[in-house]
Amino acid sequence: GQSLEQPSEVTAVEGAIVQINCTYQTSGFYGLSWYQQHDGGAPTFLSYNALDGLEETGRFSSFLSRSDSYGYLLLQELQMKDSASYFCAVRVGGGSYIPTFGRGTSLIVHP
Amino acid sequence: DGGITQSPKYLFRKEGQNVTLSCEQNLNHDAMYWYRQDPGQGLRLIYYSQIVNDFQKGDIAEGYSVSREKKESFPLTVTSAQKNPTAFYLCASSKIGEANEKLFFGSGTQLSVL
Repeated sequence: GQSLEQPSEVTAVEGAIVQINCTYQTSGFYGLSWYQQHDGGAPTFLSYNALDGLEETGRFSSFLSRSDSYGYLLLQELQMKDSASYFCAVRVGGGSYIPTFGRGTSLIVHP
Repeated sequence: DGGITQSPKYLFRKEGQNVTLSCEQNLNHDAMYWYRQDPGQGLRLIYYSQIVNDFQKGDIAEGYSVSREKKESFPLTVTSAQKNPTAFYLCASSKIGEANEKLFFGSGTQLSVL
């Protein structure tokens, strides 16, 4: 089976930079995704890494190291609206995408 | 606008009752999924389907059933065999073959037991 580990909670102040880590154990790894979910809402896709390195999308960046089975989501210039849960998810298997999610990290942004 | 719609938003189940959660998508996606979310537990896969008339069990399928008679629809039935059904249920869809195969989620159904 697969397992993913991420911190349960991270706190930061507005304007700061925060990094949310994700380590995974899985077979047939294809890629790592990140999703954001505001309280009571639907998760929304943020990013996907299939290759090693950093992917940047505006204030959000995501990093992957396949050799270390590790990735992170980097949020810059934090805003109050970034307070949400963030989930990493692995894609496993060939030909079909069977998504497995971590337990999520609750990000609390203080003024 | 294309999207994925879940209904109802809130649902109450009596003891011994089966209830069905609706999920419809007009994104022309091949794959559809049902997840259960409990506080602090993340998203756990109940069932998924990659083609009409075919579906597979996920990690926590016991006490649930699904059907996929149309590409657009993937209803989930929570049966009386599911002894702890109170949770937030999320339906998702994806287009098989895309590089990132991102999931699109519905807004969820909160199921509670009376």
